[in-house]
Amino acid sequence: QKEVEQNSGPLSVPEGAIASLNCTYSDRGSQSFFWYRQYSGKSPELIMSIYSNGDKEDGRFTAQLNKASQYVSLLIRDSQPSDSATYLCASRNSGTYKYIFGTGTRLKVLA
Amino acid sequence: GAVVSQHPSWVICKSGTSVKIECRSLDFQATTMFWYRQFPKQSLMLMATSNEGSKATYEQGVEKDKFLINHASLTLSTLTVTSAHPEDSSFYICSATLGQENSPLHFGNGTRLTVT
Repeated sequence: QKEVEQNSGPLSVPEGAIASLNCTYSDRGSQSFFWYRQYSGKSPELIMSIYSNGDKEDGRFTAQLNKASQYVSLLIRDSQPSDSATYLCASRNSGTYKYIFGTGTRLKVLA
Repeated sequence: GAVVSQHPSWVICKSGTSVKIECRSLDFQATTMFWYRQFPKQSLMLMATSNEGSKATYEQGVEKDKFLINHASLTLSTLTVTSAHPEDSSFYICSATLGQENSPLHFGNGTRLTVT
C-alpha cells in the first residue's frame, strides 16, 4: 500500500508564529508533491507544488522536500487565524496517474 | 487557469432517486478526472478515475453500478448516484489535472448530497 502519512493534529500555534506541517511518504516512485488547504465544508485548494529536493518559497509558505528521507514539509510564516484549516499532503507517482493523499493535519492559529 | 466547475453545489433527494453531478474543466482539456467522496471529519476517498472516451476505473469497494461515471468529452465528466440511500449522503468532489508530469490536481467546489 502506497501511503502518505500526516499527523492528524490539531496543531495549535499562536498568531504570528511559524506553523510547521510534516508529511512522509512510502512510495519511492513519487516524484511530485503537493500541499492543499481545506476549510471545513469546502473542497481542497492548492497551496504549493514541489518536485525537487530543497526549499520552495511562495509568500508566507515554504515547502521543503527531502527525497532521501521521503519527507515533505510546509512552513507557514506569520500564521494568521485565517490559516486555520486542514492541510493535506499529496504525492504523485511518475509512472501512474494516481495521487495519494494523506489524512490531513488540522491547524489552529490562536488569535 | 485550471478552473474546475462542479454543479450542483448541494442537493437533497429522496431515497431511491438518482442524482447527477457535473464536473467541467473550464479553461483546459482534461483527459482524466477523479471523483472523491469525503465524510465529515474524514479524509478524501478516491472513488474512481474517469477517462475521456473510455470506462471509468473504480477503486476497490466502490460499486460501479451505483456510481455511474460518464466522461463523454474532454471538459465534462458526470457522476450519477443511482437509487440513492441515506448512507450515500456525503461530500462529493471532482478534480482534474492538466496531465503533465508534475501537474497538480485542481478540485471543483464539491457537491453536498443529502439523501432523506
